[in-house]
Amino acid sequence: DQQVKQNSPSLSVQEGRISILNCDYTNSMFDYFLWYKKYPAEGPTFLISISSIKDKNEDGRFTVFLNKSAKHLSLHIVPSQPGDSAVYFCAAKVNTGNQFYFGTGTSLTVIP
Amino acid sequence: DAGITQSPRHKVTETGTPVTLRCHQTENHRYMYWYRQDPGHGLRLIHYSYGVKDTDKGEVSDGYSVSRSKTEDFLLTLESATSSQTSVYFCATKDSSGNTIYFGEGSWLTVV
Repeated sequence: DQQVKQNSPSLSVQEGRISILNCDYTNSMFDYFLWYKKYPAEGPTFLISISSIKDKNEDGRFTVFLNKSAKHLSLHIVPSQPGDSAVYFCAAKVNTGNQFYFGTGTSLTVIP
Repeated sequence: DAGITQSPRHKVTETGTPVTLRCHQTENHRYMYWYRQDPGHGLRLIHYSYGVKDTDKGEVSDGYSVSRSKTEDFLLTLESATSSQTSVYFCATKDSSGNTIYFGEGSWLTVV
């Protein structure tokens, strides 16, 4: 039973435009959320995170939004660059726990 | 970057043979994890460790065992490999206080 879901397997955007990647979760106990980026033949790398006490966290071109009532988070990349082309995984955990639950990933392609 | 090294990076083995994957970290992180990545399933937790000789099962632990005799090493063993265990295996670590896990570069395992 997938507790973290990414319903869009792939997304294509033009360079310079906004990329929006979405993630939904079912476990209401989750209170910490992360995004990872993965290039082919490499391990996932941490991108950005957000605690449930916030509804937005920003780091340069990357912003994560959290809607707790909808159990939904999204990652915005503005402006998108070709180097952003990768698979993006969202993850969730209970703040006091040590298990991380991942979504199935969204493959982003930024077209030059 | 938690200084994580996985070995072997690539392995082809026959059905029914035992296989051990090794994860080595240099950051003295308390928590270590083994995930597998499969198309359509994202990253799924196999086992994790919260200290030397302390391990627990994840979502997909059947057919796998783990051992942690030293802080820096976490071994994943497939006692009798099956074709369904063909996958990419990622090790990850986390320190006691952190909310972020850091991944190794992956081990590609093919069971023929």
